[in-house]
Amino acid sequence: AQSVTQLGSHVSVSEGALVLLRCNYSSSVPPYLCWYVQYPNQGLQLLLKYTSAATLVKGINGFEAEFKKSETSFHLTKPSAHMSDAAEYFCAVSDKAGTASKLTFGTGTRLQVTL
Amino acid sequence: DADVTQTPRNRITKTGKRIMLECSQTKGHDRMYWYRQDPGLGLQLIYYSFDVKDINKGEISDGYSVSRQAQAKFSLSLESAIPNQTALYFCATSGGGLGNEQFFGPGTRLTVL
Repeated sequence: AQSVTQLGSHVSVSEGALVLLRCNYSSSVPPYLCWYVQYPNQGLQLLLKYTSAATLVKGINGFEAEFKKSETSFHLTKPSAHMSDAAEYFCAVSDKAGTASKLTFGTGTRLQVTL
Repeated sequence: DADVTQTPRNRITKTGKRIMLECSQTKGHDRMYWYRQDPGLGLQLIYYSFDVKDINKGEISDGYSVSRQAQAKFSLSLESAIPNQTALYFCATSGGGLGNEQFFGPGTRLTVL
């Protein structure tokens, strides 16, 4: 069975500071991992996905994530936070290698960006 | 126009009423999903369908049923709504191939009084 743990339900950073949102996973197959962002009153938008190619994955809006098998982690980072990054972020893992079949989501991390 | 649409966007209903939430997609995807989002719980899979004749229960299917009327349409029904089904409901679609992703609709906010 697959599972995802997101450490920290709320993260607050100053504008311009590094954003680090943590995700650890458990998977019985080579993992397909992804990060989604949810802006207020909107649906989920894919930020990036890992499908067993390069371990450093670059996504939209300057976000990237690094797959670390030894640590079973897929943390999301952005070098410099912008006010527009304030949103909720979800990490998810698929039950099938390389494809978004059935996704199991983490409980989410709400990012607050302050001036 | 949006690729994945959900109707209604908001619904308030009473305990015991039958409710149907509808999802349509123009992406040509075979796979469709229904999720429920509750604060602090993330998204939980209710039902999923990999093609018109394939319907599968997800993690939290009790109290829900679905119908896949066509490749492009996937409806979620609450036969007898109860207050703890108050939540945000999302439909999603995917193509099923390697490297694909799930595309989400805008959500339906359902309140059961």
